[in-house]
Amino acid sequence: AQTVTQSQPEMSVQEAETVTLSCTYDTSESDYYLFWYKQPPSRQMILVIRQEAYKQQNATENRFSVNFQKAAKSFSLKISDSQLGDAAMYFCAYRHPNSNSGYALNFGKGTSLLVTP
Amino acid sequence: DSGVTQTPKHLITATGQRVTLRCSPRSGDLSVYWYQQSLDQGLQFLIQYYNGEERAKGNILERFSAQQFPDLHSELNLSSLELGDSALYFCASSVAGSSNYGYTFGSGTRLTVV
Repeated sequence: AQTVTQSQPEMSVQEAETVTLSCTYDTSESDYYLFWYKQPPSRQMILVIRQEAYKQQNATENRFSVNFQKAAKSFSLKISDSQLGDAAMYFCAYRHPNSNSGYALNFGKGTSLLVTP
Repeated sequence: DSGVTQTPKHLITATGQRVTLRCSPRSGDLSVYWYQQSLDQGLQFLIQYYNGEERAKGNILERFSAQQFPDLHSELNLSSLELGDSALYFCASSVAGSSNYGYTFGSGTRLTVV
């Protein structure tokens, strides 16, 4: 199974500042999908952003953007203008391109983000 | 509200018992995925159903089983429960058999085995 690694168990950022969460993955495929999910204290898993590996352009959703480095197998999440509501556990996830490996998402262990006033 | 409904929200049961977790996918979604989230193992994929048929299987124990019914709701059955089965169990759904656009998750069922 493809491995997803989030090397930062915890991160902290001040309100209005920018923070980057790291994610690396292991795959031999050239086309796949990557995701960032947010899990606030309510424990609901919320999709933040997705990236298709064949697209070179980095995905952006409002204050959230990614830095996708395909050769380095790196997929970091940048949160700009951090808000108190951004405090949550963030999970990076990988999805294999075809059904032979199932359509499951492989998740990293998560990074807990603390936002301070 | 994500549109994916999981019941019950909390469940406390004794070792050796059997429980059933229920999931209703978002309207229009044909695929249902079950995940187990524990502190030591993180989010582990258990099983996927698409339009009533099993599509993919992950780290699901033999004591666990699932099915998807004609109305597309799904049930996850956990039997001979052990203390280590205590976890948050998520159901997620997607439109098609694949998950190119990610899943929509339910709010989970917190299972505590005592």
